[in-house]
Amino acid sequence: AQRVTQPEKLLSVFKGAPVELKCNYSYSGSPELFWYVQYSRQRLQLLLRHISRESIKGFTADLNKGETSFHLKKPFAQEEDSAMYYCALSGHNNQGGKLIFGQGTELSVKP
Amino acid sequence: GAVVSQHPSRVICKSGTSVKIECRSLDFQATTMFWYRQFPKQSLMLMATSNEGSKATYEQGVEKDKFLINHASLTLSTLTVTSAHPEDSSFYICSARDPRGYYGYTFGSGTRLTVV
Repeated sequence: AQRVTQPEKLLSVFKGAPVELKCNYSYSGSPELFWYVQYSRQRLQLLLRHISRESIKGFTADLNKGETSFHLKKPFAQEEDSAMYYCALSGHNNQGGKLIFGQGTELSVKP
Repeated sequence: GAVVSQHPSRVICKSGTSVKIECRSLDFQATTMFWYRQFPKQSLMLMATSNEGSKATYEQGVEKDKFLINHASLTLSTLTVTSAHPEDSSFYICSARDPRGYYGYTFGSGTRLTVV
């Protein structure tokens, strides 16, 4: 079964501090992993996907298959990074390509 | 590119009535769309997968007679909440995957349903 776990409900840091939002997954196969961000009163936006291996807004995430993790990192947090962050997984095979979300982590960056 | 439009953004209805929510892919064709429900301060819970031209696939615990899904064209999926009750009040979000690949899954802006 597909499962995504984000252990931290809330992460609070000061501006300029490093940030790491944790994500672990469970999937018997080769999953596709995503990070989505939801700013206040806005729709979900794609932040990163593991297959593109790019950095968006200073965020990076590396898929670690051994640890089944896809942690999101940023070396220097900014106040505008404050938002809800969701890790999500899409499987293949008989899963129909559906996207399953973790519980979400609220990032609060204080001045 | 890869825009999904959802309508209405907000609806209030009386108990016992039905409400239809539309989800359109504006610049791509979507053979598959997904419907989610989001409670306050919680994550998105997948309700069902909408398949163009065939029956929707519902997640465990989701009543298919309560939440009717129709995907009659490659750009439109609808979710009808039938005989709505106050406990159906929630934020409903649709999503589609852009077949061109780059944009991944794109989400609608959501519909806030309040049943009074």
